[in-house]
Amino acid sequence: EVQLVESGGGLEQPGGSLRLSCTASGFIFSNYEMNWVRQAPGKGLEWVSYISSSGSAIYYADSVKGRFTISRDNAKNSLYLQMNSLRAEDTAVYYCARSGRFGLWGQGTLVTVSS
Amino acid sequence: DIQMTQSPSSLSASVGDRVTITCRASQGIRNDLGWYQQKPGEAPKRLIYAASTLQSGVPSRFSGSGSGTEFTLTISSLQPEDFATYYCLQHNSYPRTFGQGTKVEIK
Repeated sequence: EVQLVESGGGLEQPGGSLRLSCTASGFIFSNYEMNWVRQAPGKGLEWVSYISSSGSAIYYADSVKGRFTISRDNAKNSLYLQMNSLRAEDTAVYYCARSGRFGLWGQGTLVTVSS
Repeated sequence: DIQMTQSPSSLSASVGDRVTITCRASQGIRNDLGWYQQKPGEAPKRLIYAASTLQSGVPSRFSGSGSGTEFTLTISSLQPEDFATYYCLQHNSYPRTFGQGTKVEIK
């Protein structure tokens, strides 16, 4: 089955760090660009970050630039999001999404930043 | 950054109604636009890509049109399972940007 599964979310204090993972199956992960998208409770969708298939090109939303780092391990069919200096406004469900056209999404993982 | 202005933000409609949702881009994005449906507690699901191409498995009552700066999602005959929130997304340039969403509710 073609799918993406996120993990690593949880409760973290402001200023803390979390690392999200997205594991792909059912397709050739190394062929695809990947993205992270988040959705704060009751709010709309916000694009967070992009990484090319090889990892050579990376982009970030201004809201996370300098704090979040996207990476991938094609040998492990995995995408990552290292989130540092977390803020309350980072509280959201985080989705990974496949390709530049966002054709496949994971089920999401909830990150809560609160003291 | 490209701004995506989606309207309306919400609408009430009845089963069988024709529904139209519009997204306007702040600058031309060719046909680099997708439409997504999201139900409560679920991940978004792509309905349309390249502005007008129906995703495999999506009912034909959904259609998309437009190019450049004006785009439309149409549901020709609203069904009970279509009550959800709909988003457009431009993938022409970074940062990628979504419309604000349109919540389709039961009248």
